[in-house]
Amino acid sequence: GQNIDQPTEMTATEGAIVQINCTYQTSGFNGLFWYQQHAGEAPTFLSYNVLDGLEEKGRFSSFLSRSKGYSYLLLKELQMKDSASYLCAVMDSNYQLIWGAGTKLIIKP
Amino acid sequence: SAVISQKPSRDICQRGTSLTIQCQVDSQVTMMFWYRQQPGQSLTLIATANQGSEATYESGFVIDKFPISRPNLTFSTLTVSNMSPEDSSIYLCSVLRGDTEAFFGQGTRLTVV
Repeated sequence: GQNIDQPTEMTATEGAIVQINCTYQTSGFNGLFWYQQHAGEAPTFLSYNVLDGLEEKGRFSSFLSRSKGYSYLLLKELQMKDSASYLCAVMDSNYQLIWGAGTKLIIKP
Repeated sequence: SAVISQKPSRDICQRGTSLTIQCQVDSQVTMMFWYRQQPGQSLTLIATANQGSEATYESGFVIDKFPISRPNLTFSTLTVSNMSPEDSSIYLCSVLRGDTEAFFGQGTRLTVV
């Protein structure tokens, strides 16, 4: 079966760095996505990785290791507005997105 | 980024009735999807809306309960039929552009009483 695992909840301090991990087992791989979702709102796109390595985009970076079925999202200089759920999703061989349950990130002052 | 207009944004409906949710995209897209998201949970794919043919439903979802239309490459509707309180959820339409970016409508928050 297809499976995406990520922690349910994480807590971090404003100004700090946090790493949210995602492991996956899917039938085929056409890329891994990270989305941010604030409560009551639709998910918004953060990053896309299809090759191994680190993609940096401002305060957010995403890493992928296809051989390990592993990705992480790194958030630097945390701000209170970063409090949200972060969803990991993998596009399988049929170009369908398989979604993780999301990681709720709580930022404390 | 694709602009997706989804409506209604929220509704409160009586059990046994039906609600149709509309999704309009600002450009032609090949793949459109309908998701459901229960409170505190991730997205569950209901179906893939195919232009000119029947939608492809995921396990646990059937056409009689969730009929979908896709008359062209920019528009789709999802109907939640014969609603019960268990159908209370957020419903989201989503499109894929270039196979690498997925965009979402604003979501429809449905409460069935």
